[in-house]
Amino acid sequence: QKEVEQNSGPLSVPEGAIASLNCTYSDRGSQSFFWYRQYSGKSPELIMSIYSNGDKEDGRFTAQLNKASQYVSLLIRDSQPSDSATYLCAGPFGGYNKLIFGAGTRLAVHP
Amino acid sequence: ETGVTQTPRHLVMGMTNKKSLKCEQHLGHNAMYWYKQSAKKPLELMFVYSLEERVENNSVPSRFSPECPNSSHLFLHLHTLQPEDSALYLCASSQDLAGGLLTYEQYFGPGTRLTVT
Repeated sequence: QKEVEQNSGPLSVPEGAIASLNCTYSDRGSQSFFWYRQYSGKSPELIMSIYSNGDKEDGRFTAQLNKASQYVSLLIRDSQPSDSATYLCAGPFGGYNKLIFGAGTRLAVHP
Repeated sequence: ETGVTQTPRHLVMGMTNKKSLKCEQHLGHNAMYWYKQSAKKPLELMFVYSLEERVENNSVPSRFSPECPNSSHLFLHLHTLQPEDSALYLCASSQDLAGGLLTYEQYFGPGTRLTVT
């Protein structure tokens, strides 16, 4: 069964720290992964996409993809209380234009 | 209007009612999706339309009926729903290059919060 798995959390980090969010996937053929941020009561917002092995940086966010280990992560540097949200990892399955989502990791950044 | 819009934002309906959810994308995309998000469950893909053709019906009950009249608009027609259908219904869109090997980013609308009484 093709799956994307995440630790549901909550992950609690102090303001200014690095938050590390992790995701594993089962489909070795997956080529691309996405991280979405979802505030309570809101819809998911795309924050990062990664298509190749290695790191991709965008501001305070770094996505890491390791295809050999079937592992994708999101690092948030200098975490802020406004980063408190649920972070969803998503990868393709069953066709190139369909995504499967993990259950999400709830991040709490405390002052 | 920019991005992906959805109407209505909130809907309360009885089990015998018929209603429709509307989605419109202003991103020039050619693929559109309906998702269901229930409390404490992962996002569930319901339907996929690519180039106005339905390419996926993810074992969704027939009381949900999608319609895609063109690449910018997507509807979800609802009838004789059950209380367990209460959820956040999300529309998304993406680019879909026929024959491509990559999955492209999907952008979500704000969702319709549906309550079935």
